[in-house]
Amino acid sequence: QQQVKQSPQSLIVQKGGISIINCAYENTAFDYFPWYQQFPGKGPALLIAIRPDVSEKKEGRFTISFNKSAKQFSLHIMDSQPGDSATYFCAALTTDSWGKFQFGAGTQVVVTP
Amino acid sequence: NAGVMQNPRHLVRRRGQEARLRCSPMKGHSHVYWYRQLPEEGLKFMVYLQKENIIDESGMPKERFSAEFPKEGPSILRIQQVVRGDSAAYFCASSRDLTNTEAFFGQGTRLTVV
Repeated sequence: QQQVKQSPQSLIVQKGGISIINCAYENTAFDYFPWYQQFPGKGPALLIAIRPDVSEKKEGRFTISFNKSAKQFSLHIMDSQPGDSATYFCAALTTDSWGKFQFGAGTQVVVTP
Repeated sequence: NAGVMQNPRHLVRRRGQEARLRCSPMKGHSHVYWYRQLPEEGLKFMVYLQKENIIDESGMPKERFSAEFPKEGPSILRIQQVVRGDSAAYFCASSRDLTNTEAFFGQGTRLTVV
């Protein structure tokens, strides 16, 4: 059973555009929500993360929006660049089950020149 | 400071053979986690270990799979009598301690069972 549902499965965006990836969860005990970026042949790397006490977090061109009541969170990539082409995974964690991330299925983002 | 090191990067095994995957955590990290990634899927938690202890193995298949993290040396994920369905990328992650929220992932071992 997928505890974190991620959409879309794939996304094509033009250079300079905005990429938006959405995730939804059911377990209200989750209290840490990271996004990971994975390039082909590489392991996932932490991109940005948020806790449920804030509604938005921004780091450079990457923003997480968090809606606690809807149990949804999303990643926005502003001014998308070809180097952003990768697979993005959302994840969720309860910090009393440390290390046991529940990952979404991933979104393959392709940024065209 | 080297990152999480996994080896081998690629492993081919015939059905029925054993696969041993190794993971050396980052320096100073004593918590290791193993995940499996099937094609077109996200990562699935398998097991969480600390030195000489298995903390949570709720994601491990009950048969053929085992993991250890000895006092000295890397963590080992062992798959006995491999089957085609074991073909996947296996990722190891490590963190410093329970108060550190970031887990660093290795580059993975891609196991192919032929």
